[in-house]
Amino acid sequence: GENVEQHPSTLSVQEGDSAVIKCTYSDSASNYFPWYKQELGKRPQLIIDIRSNVGEKKDQRIAVTLNKTAKHFSLHITETQPEDSAVYFCAANGVRSQGNLIFGKGTKLSVKP
Amino acid sequence: EAQVTQNPRYLITVTGKKLTVTCSQNMNHEYMSWYRQDPGLGLRQIYYSMNVEVTDKGDVPEGYKVSRKEKRNFPLILESPSPNQTSLYFCASSSGTGNTEAFFGQGTRLTVV
Repeated sequence: GENVEQHPSTLSVQEGDSAVIKCTYSDSASNYFPWYKQELGKRPQLIIDIRSNVGEKKDQRIAVTLNKTAKHFSLHITETQPEDSAVYFCAANGVRSQGNLIFGKGTKLSVKP
Repeated sequence: EAQVTQNPRYLITVTGKKLTVTCSQNMNHEYMSWYRQDPGLGLRQIYYSMNVEVTDKGDVPEGYKVSRKEKRNFPLILESPSPNQTSLYFCASSSGTGNTEAFFGQGTRLTVV
């Protein structure tokens, strides 16, 4: 079935360093790829998304890249800050599942001061 | 304020005692869904609804029921809860199917003893 793989499951960086989280998806018809941030005890919230007609999107310190040929997309966070510490989920829409979002298993990012 | 509201936030119940978790959204969204979040497994979809009176199974529907009698409400029903349904549950809504931002409720922490 449709699947989204996310790596790594945990990531620890020093404040100011960059963090990269990678996802691969199985459904070649997927055309929407959002990233959600979930702070401890809170709900997931959208931080950035990308559609299949673009290869890269930036919003201040965060950026997402998409390689449709390889079926993978990545989240890049530059100049990390302690408040970036959270669990990050990637997702892709599964066309075969009527467009439902399929989530990766999450990456716990820890930014050490 | 645009929001998705779940109730209750916390619930401890006993095996076999029917319960309902309510979900309501005020954004006139057509699409609503339920997820459960378990450590290491990410967000797994239980059921979704593309419109009033239209519901369908997600990846882990066993032991759950839903209904969509009105556009704004999408309750999750556990007819006979079991300990393996102890989890964190999220309701979400979006204006489109898998290609627009999903807004999540605050979450319901359910413990079945």
